[in-house]
Amino acid sequence: GQQVMQIPQYQHVQEGEDFTTYCNSSTTLSNIQWYKQRPGGHPVFLIQLVKSGEVKKQKRLTFQFGEAKKNSSLHITATQTTDVGTYFCGSSGGYQKVTFGTGTKLQVIP
Amino acid sequence: DARVTQTPRHKVTEMGQEVTMRCQPILGHNTVFWYRQTMMQGLELLAYFRNRAPLDDSGMPKDRFSAEMPDATLATLKIQPSEPRDSAVYFCASGLALQGTTEAFFGQGTRLTVV
Repeated sequence: GQQVMQIPQYQHVQEGEDFTTYCNSSTTLSNIQWYKQRPGGHPVFLIQLVKSGEVKKQKRLTFQFGEAKKNSSLHITATQTTDVGTYFCGSSGGYQKVTFGTGTKLQVIP
Repeated sequence: DARVTQTPRHKVTEMGQEVTMRCQPILGHNTVFWYRQTMMQGLELLAYFRNRAPLDDSGMPKDRFSAEMPDATLATLKIQPSEPRDSAVYFCASGLALQGTTEAFFGQGTRLTVV
């Protein structure tokens, strides 16, 4: 499968600060997906990136796929308490099975 | 509002007992995943089906775990016999594999506790 490492594992930020999580792979990824899991909830699909160098935005969230398609980042501008949760990157590789990174747990301090 | 339905939501069982978890994928989806989530291991892929056929179950302990799709509306994950180390949240997800990509829609999970 396509193995991805995610950093940091945990992040605490003051409300209003920015936040970034990174995914890195030793191999070229066919795509990158991002999911958010609220505490006690289930992962929810946010977005998928497919093209080299692709950048997509959803309100305060900016997603990037690296030029070499080996890394990706999720950046949140001016975090809010509603952003609390764990953010996972994933990739659908061979046979389109979706495997995930280790996740970044975000805590926002009001 | 289409969603993946998992039952039961919570299960407490004694070591050695059989546990069966069920999943109803979203109608029309051709792909079903089973994941296990623990604090230590994150989201592990246990098994994966396409058009009801198992494509990959390499992440699943074969001696005690089994996954099946008896029909397009039901996927099951069984553990027999269960052990305390199996305690985790088990998620089912379904998706529609199109043009090389699949977006996974997750159910709410089954929280399993083996005592």
